[in-house]
Amino acid sequence: QVQLVQSGAEVKKPGASVKVSCKASGYTFTSYYMHWVRQAPGQGLEWMGIINPSGGSTSYAQKFQGRVTMTRDTSTSTVYMELSSLRSEDTAVYYCARAGVCSGGSCLDYWGQGTLVTVSS
Amino acid sequence: DIQMTQSPSSLSASVGDRVTITCQASQDISNYLNWYQQKPGKAPKLLIYDASNLETGVPSRFSGSGSGTDFTFTISSLQPEDIATYYCQQYDNLPPRITFGGGTKVEIK
Repeated sequence: QVQLVQSGAEVKKPGASVKVSCKASGYTFTSYYMHWVRQAPGQGLEWMGIINPSGGSTSYAQKFQGRVTMTRDTSTSTVYMELSSLRSEDTAVYYCARAGVCSGGSCLDYWGQGTLVTVSS
Repeated sequence: DIQMTQSPSSLSASVGDRVTITCQASQDISNYLNWYQQKPGKAPKLLIYDASNLETGVPSRFSGSGSGTDFTFTISSLQPEDIATYYCQQYDNLPPRITFGGGTKVEIK
């Protein structure tokens, strides 16, 4: 069965960087794009970007351009999301989610369990 | 950027009631519209894709309709386990971009 298992919670100081991992299993890793979505406490869902695990190409939301980097390791079927220059507003749960089999891969059919990143001095 | 306006932001209904949530796009998005359910402390779950297709394993009381700019999500008979926040989501492919609606919190009256 498809599983996306994310790394554990992180506490970071303002200005630092965080790197969250998402290990995929149960399907062909390079056949499905992967999205990253975050959710601040009590708030809605916010899309951060997408990575093609096959070639490594990425597309980021304008809000995060210059601060976010998404990478992948095909040998371990893992995608990574690194966010730099952290500020308190980046405190959120970060999710990876697979782009599913729907029109243009526009749906997110499997999600990781989420990783809480807390930014605090 | 395409904006998604979801309403209402919250609602309270009785068990067995029909519940309807709407989502309006700021421009034509064809049928690139999906619906998710999120329970507290959990990741979102895909319920409806491509505006009207029920994801495998999702109960048939959930349904979606619409195309272009106006979309509707319906729970035909609200159950206690349906208490959650529901989000619509659209997709642009040039460049790839996803936008979520603001969410609708569904509670039992």
